[in-house]
Amino acid sequence: DQQVKQNSPSLSVQEGRISILNCDYTNSMFDYFLWYKKYPAEGPTFLISISSIKDKNEDGRFTVFLNKSAKHLSLHIVPSQPGDSAVYFCAASFTGNQFYFGTGTSLTVIP
Amino acid sequence: GAGVSQSPRYKVAKRGQDVALRCDPISGHVSLFWYQQALGQGPEFLTYFQNEAQLDKSGLPSDRFFAERPEGSVSTLKIQRTQQEDSAVYLCASSPGHPGGLLVSPLHFGNGTRLTVT
Repeated sequence: DQQVKQNSPSLSVQEGRISILNCDYTNSMFDYFLWYKKYPAEGPTFLISISSIKDKNEDGRFTVFLNKSAKHLSLHIVPSQPGDSAVYFCAASFTGNQFYFGTGTSLTVIP
Repeated sequence: GAGVSQSPRYKVAKRGQDVALRCDPISGHVSLFWYQQALGQGPEFLTYFQNEAQLDKSGLPSDRFFAERPEGSVSTLKIQRTQQEDSAVYLCASSPGHPGGLLVSPLHFGNGTRLTVT
């Protein structure tokens, strides 16, 4: 059973506009959430994280929002750049010794 | 080294062969994880080490899969009698922290080993 879901397999956005990637989870015990970015033939690279005690965390162009009541998190990238084109995975953990990943969303930023 | 190193990058095995995949974590990282990523899917947890102790192996799909980290640094994932369904990218990740503590450390991934079983 998939505990972390990314329902949009792909997303296309014009350069300079906002990209919004969504993620839903089912386990209310999760208390730590992360976003990873993956280029082809490379491993996932950590992007940004958020603890369940917060509802927002910002790092430069990247902001993660957490809505615990809806069991939903989202990643906002603004402004989007062509170099942001990659597959984005959300992940969740409640003990720090097992991270559950979504199936990924492929983002294409069109110049 | 600067990051997590995995070898080989690519491995082709005939069905029934044994394979061994190596992971060199970031120096000093206590925690080491193995994940399996099938095509079009997200990484799926296989097993986790804290130093040399294998604390969780609940994700290993069968007893053909075996992992070790004897000195708390380099780890090897071994797959015996490979089957076609074992074809996937095997990712290793390390982190500096102690899971279960107050702070959770993000995982640092290697580039993976792509295993193809023919």
